[in-house]
Amino acid sequence: SAVISQKPSRDICQRGTSLTIQCQVDSQVTMMFWYRQQPGQSLTLIATANQGSEATYESGFVIDKFPISRPNLTFSTLTVSNMSPEDSSIYLCSVRTSVQETQYFGPGTRLLVL
Amino acid sequence: SQKIEQNSEALNIQEGKTATLTCNYTNYSPAYLQWYRQDPGRGPVFLLLIRENEKEKRKERLKVTFDTTLKQSLFHITASQPADSATYLCALDKAAGNKLTFGGGTRVLVKP
Repeated sequence: SAVISQKPSRDICQRGTSLTIQCQVDSQVTMMFWYRQQPGQSLTLIATANQGSEATYESGFVIDKFPISRPNLTFSTLTVSNMSPEDSSIYLCSVRTSVQETQYFGPGTRLLVL
Repeated sequence: SQKIEQNSEALNIQEGKTATLTCNYTNYSPAYLQWYRQDPGRGPVFLLLIRENEKEKRKERLKVTFDTTLKQSLFHITASQPADSATYLCALDKAAGNKLTFGGGTRVLVKP
């Protein structure tokens, strides 16, 4: 299994600003993902964070809006840029270990944009 | 287009009874299907994984079935307890190592 922490746990931000969310895992993992969960909705995959290369984004998500870094096998960041109220959501980091097919999720970052 | 559908209506059930949740999918050929539990304000927690060549999987009071002909999975919670109250999500993966796609989830409320 993997233990995942995220920072911050929650934040209230002003429109037009940016927030960087950090994800730290207690062990090296092969795959890291970022999901968004809007109020009352299920999880939507934003992108796969690739170590040492650019993230792979899902349809509807772009690097300029959600830049992602993954400098090593245990850490990743997601930035929500030029925020608007529509970005208010929970952002979740998720990982897969090398031998398991299950995914583990962090506690999430609850973001409110005013 | 690909769809994963779960009953969006909350399932209210009396303690001790069996809760049965449904996950239907279209335009997928998943290698396996997973079920997760999510409590309010928390990230999803993995419960069970069932592969395409498996009909049924059990873990304690949980049972999952997988019918690739019907394109459906059923998730059962037997002898339900109030602590089982949560939202349950099904997720599909085409093959090992690929990304998971989640259904909308079904909220379960077990009344004492």
